[in-house]
Amino acid sequence: DVKVTQSSRYLVKRTGEKVFLECVQDMDHENMFWYRQDPGLGLRLIYFSYDVKMKEKGDIPEGYSVSREKKERFSLILESASTNQTSMYLCASSLLTGPGDVYGYTFGSGTRLTVV
Amino acid sequence: AQKVTQAQTEISVVEKEDVTLDCVYETRDTTYYLFWYKQPPSGELVFLIRRNSFDEQNEISGRYSWNFQKSTSSFNFTITASQVVDSAVYFCALSGYSSASKIIFGSGTRLSIRP
Repeated sequence: DVKVTQSSRYLVKRTGEKVFLECVQDMDHENMFWYRQDPGLGLRLIYFSYDVKMKEKGDIPEGYSVSREKKERFSLILESASTNQTSMYLCASSLLTGPGDVYGYTFGSGTRLTVV
Repeated sequence: AQKVTQAQTEISVVEKEDVTLDCVYETRDTTYYLFWYKQPPSGELVFLIRRNSFDEQNEISGRYSWNFQKSTSSFNFTITASQVVDSAVYFCALSGYSSASKIIFGSGTRLSIRP
């Protein structure tokens, strides 16, 4: 069974801390994504990556950066955590197929981050 | 720009009732994909269906059915004879047709099924 694993289910950090959220997939998927989920706003895309060492900004990249040194691992970094980054963070991966064949994403269980 | 609207924030029905979750989308693409995902209390989003914009046939899978109408840009999801285990947040989503496309999600509908 395909799996996307997020290292922490719950995390509490202090304002100003540097925070790393880790995501690992075991499906050899090329595409990986980081979303944040907030009530009433659905899922908003922060960053995504189509290949190792490659990254693209999503809709809300401010305050975040990412790292993809290996195909299976995609890390989200909060350079200096702030209270408005308290949220549920979801990682996803998908297969890069030929044009015209977009498969759905496989999601991790999420990391609920609280910044105090 | 692409956009997905789920106007129903929360729905609550009694078990065994039928319930329809609405989804309206906007896109300038002539070809695209539509999706539905389920997010149970455990938090992990579960893929339910992918629909190609070329195919307007309705789809049925057990108690679940989907009605895709290009003319009204809608992709509604109906659960027949609802059960308590159907309680979850449901997301409708839209993607372009390229392998590099990202998926745009609606804001979700929280469905509660009361025993």
